[in-house]
Amino acid sequence: DGGITQSPKYLFRKEGQNVTLSCEQNLNHDAMYWYRQDPGQGLRLIYYSQIVNDFQKGDIAEGYSVSREKKESFPLTVTSAQKNPTAFYLCASSYGGLETQYFGPGTRLLVL
Amino acid sequence: QKEVEQNSGPLSVPEGAIASLNCTYSDRGSQSFFWYRQYSGKSPELIMFIYSNGDKEDGRFTAQLNKASQYVSLLIRDSQPSDSATYLCAVSKGTGANSKLTFGKGITLSVRP
Repeated sequence: DGGITQSPKYLFRKEGQNVTLSCEQNLNHDAMYWYRQDPGQGLRLIYYSQIVNDFQKGDIAEGYSVSREKKESFPLTVTSAQKNPTAFYLCASSYGGLETQYFGPGTRLLVL
Repeated sequence: QKEVEQNSGPLSVPEGAIASLNCTYSDRGSQSFFWYRQYSGKSPELIMFIYSNGDKEDGRFTAQLNKASQYVSLLIRDSQPSDSATYLCAVSKGTGANSKLTFGKGITLSVRP
């Protein structure tokens, strides 16, 4: 099956801990994105990458880091500097314009 | 003023009625406009996108864009209970590889059987 996978579905973070959210796609899409969604809110862009080994900050990059070493993978690390990390994290990929952007199933991050 | 604003909800309509969802945006340089549907606990899925002023129809869905008024709407005809979801309006700015989406908060639609 072609698609975007995100793991885990639920993730718990302790105070002061870094956690990494996985995003993998086998759609051969060039661009990948990370969004954050808080309850009752729209999506906000954290980071995006148009090509391997290159990525740009979105609107709320502080406290997050990413890497893009492979076309298929775009992991997001939520660092201890992110003081309010509880949210629904969505990864997306696209092969052309933004109308081709597809979302993964999401990871829900909770703080213990 | 927020970049993308949607009516505060929720919106409730009877089955078979027309649901009208509205969205305004502040950046006159915005180029493309998108409507996503998001079921509770799930990821968004694209329903419609529109670039040009006027209407664009796809089945029971019609997107309407008025750039002069900075207004985009989504009409759902013959609403079904399965249409009950949160609808997110999104606007793109920038060009090419730098184009990005800005989302509204969404409006929750409930279709009563």
